[in-house]
Amino acid sequence: AQTVTQSQPEMSVQEAETVTLSCTYDTSESDYYLFWYKQPPSRQMILVIRQEAYKQQNATENRFSVNFQKAAKSFSLKISDSQLGDAAMYFCASRKGNQGGKLIFGQGTELSVKP
Amino acid sequence: KAGVTQTPRYLIKTRGQQVTLSCSPISGHRSVSWYQQTPGQGLQFLFEYFSETQRNKGNFPGRFSGRQFSNSRSEMNVSTLELGDSALYLCASSSGDRGTGELFFGEGSRLTVL
Repeated sequence: AQTVTQSQPEMSVQEAETVTLSCTYDTSESDYYLFWYKQPPSRQMILVIRQEAYKQQNATENRFSVNFQKAAKSFSLKISDSQLGDAAMYFCASRKGNQGGKLIFGQGTELSVKP
Repeated sequence: KAGVTQTPRYLIKTRGQQVTLSCSPISGHRSVSWYQQTPGQGLQFLFEYFSETQRNKGNFPGRFSGRQFSNSRSEMNVSTLELGDSALYLCASSSGDRGTGELFFGEGSRLTVL
């Protein structure tokens, strides 16, 4: 069975600084995808970044980047130049390659940004 | 383009009652997935519908059921409500691509069971 673990329930970062959120996963699949989702307070969840397991290159989306360590089954999210609007719950998730809408989520990391 | 719409946004029920939640996906999306979010269990997958057929199913009891209509709108039903069913129920739609298809979430329906 797939599992996703986020070991940091809460994190804090100073505005304009960099923060890294940790995620480890376990899967026996060779075809899978990894995601980071952001859920602001009382607002809908949105996709931050995704990584196809077969790609060695780490995904990047503007200020957001991942460090994908396939052998270690680690998938951390780095947020550079943190902004107040980055404050939210961040969920790491995995999906088997053929599982469509079935994501396995971690427990989440609540990120606060200090001005 | 309108996003994923869930109704109702908030509702209160009592134990033993049943509830039906609705989800309208983004236009053109054929897949709708449902998730339950609670403080204790986190986000858990309920089921996914694609072209009116259940494509994936999570580990929830049979009291949780769903369906999808020909216009891709989906409903989920919970019968014989229990206190533990209190949760935020999230719906997500996608194009249906099993691989890289991005999930777009609605704002959720918050169910309180008294």
